[in-house]
Amino acid sequence: NAGVMQNPRHLVRRRGQEARLRCSPMKGHSHVYWYRQLPEEGLKFMVYLQKENIIDESGMPKERFSAEFPKEGPSILRIQQVVRGDSAAYFCASSPRPGGEQYFGPGTRLTVT
Amino acid sequence: TQLLEQSPQFLSIQEGENLTVYCNSSSVFSSLQWYRQEPGEGPVLLVTVVTGGEVKKLKRLTFQFGDARKDSSLHITAAQPGDTGLYLCAGVAGNTPLVFGKGTRLSVIA
Repeated sequence: NAGVMQNPRHLVRRRGQEARLRCSPMKGHSHVYWYRQLPEEGLKFMVYLQKENIIDESGMPKERFSAEFPKEGPSILRIQQVVRGDSAAYFCASSPRPGGEQYFGPGTRLTVT
Repeated sequence: TQLLEQSPQFLSIQEGENLTVYCNSSSVFSSLQWYRQEPGEGPVLLVTVVTGGEVKKLKRLTFQFGDARKDSSLHITAAQPGDTGLYLCAGVAGNTPLVFGKGTRLSVIA
């Protein structure tokens, strides 16, 4: 009964490179949420996806950030041309239904040098 | 914009002591969740409360949802070092995304 999987756990990128973060939801869960957490802060919502659809991207920066959840495979959060301010822990969570309880993965810690 | 204020921000206590942490908002939430997060890990769901005035117990942890569904508290009895972590509350209101407080960082010293 695997939980939410995220990889990589740690990612180091130089300024200007691209970062791709992957999230595999719990089995049977078709709703995926991405959050960003800065040190000493709570989690900030970024985007909510259901299979092949973006439902709510109100927390996503308008530029450089994109997310997808294809019919097959994990959800991907992509950050293009990373800057130092993108350094943070990125968590995904999955849920079996809209508004249902969310189960979190272990996170990807992105460091931009 | 819904905001959840958690207090205290930091709490350091001796093993065996009791403690209460608070989660307050001016907004009404349809449900409220409590999570615990350990360093380097994702938040782990502890409980969901949905009814105003609801009280839920999880071993030594007691969760209460305010009558007006704007606030919640978490009480830990006889704290143990294993309770150390970041406690986060998060609220759901309608179809809006889950809103998190900044958390209470608890340290229980043996």
